[in-house]
Amino acid sequence: GAGVSQSPSNKVTEKGKDVELRCDPISGHTALYWYRQSLGQGLEFLIYFQGNSAPDKSGLPSDRFSAERTGGSVSTLTIQRTQQEDSAVYLCASSPTVSTDTQYFGPGTRLTVL
Amino acid sequence: GESVGLHLPTLSVQEGDNSIINCAYSNSASDYFIWYKQESGKGPQFIIDIRSNMDKRQGQRVTVLLNKTVKHLSLQIAATQPGDSAVYFCAENSGGSNYKLTFGKGTLLTVNP
Repeated sequence: GAGVSQSPSNKVTEKGKDVELRCDPISGHTALYWYRQSLGQGLEFLIYFQGNSAPDKSGLPSDRFSAERTGGSVSTLTIQRTQQEDSAVYLCASSPTVSTDTQYFGPGTRLTVL
Repeated sequence: GESVGLHLPTLSVQEGDNSIINCAYSNSASDYFIWYKQESGKGPQFIIDIRSNMDKRQGQRVTVLLNKTVKHLSLQIAATQPGDSAVYFCAENSGGSNYKLTFGKGTLLTVNP
């Protein structure tokens, strides 16, 4: 079946602009995660959604970052007033439940802030 | 602070050899560990996982070893193939969190034909 999909695959923006990144999780997966991967680095946890529960936003680096998950499926990560240090690959993952099930990753969105 | 790290940032092997990628973790409360493979331009792909009540788990051509005494995790790849060339990340469940994974920085494995 279809895996996790993300769009766009690449995004180039100017400093100060807002961007929206989209994630379509695997159908039926109730848990959704956002990570950030800077060049040559591991993945940094950003936010986690599980069903109708309040999301865990503890990894968001600043209040310029926000995320929504509508209808328990598609999620959007919004970065307002982008800065150059926001340049990274933003990865989305989903898993069937809230437990430590395997997280299945999408291909990521490469964000470049000029 | 708590962290997951890797001993070797790069590893180069000959096709057919066995590869061993190492990882150290410092959070003694973590009880779930995963190895991911990431090819260029792609998201991480699950390889194998292990829970803290085990010290060894085998998959197809891969074996994960867990040594809780020294907080060490390793991934062994048998008969390494060019298609195994990628960055390999270990991850832990952040002190027992159900979902929050902490990733190491990764090891680049290059397989020479």
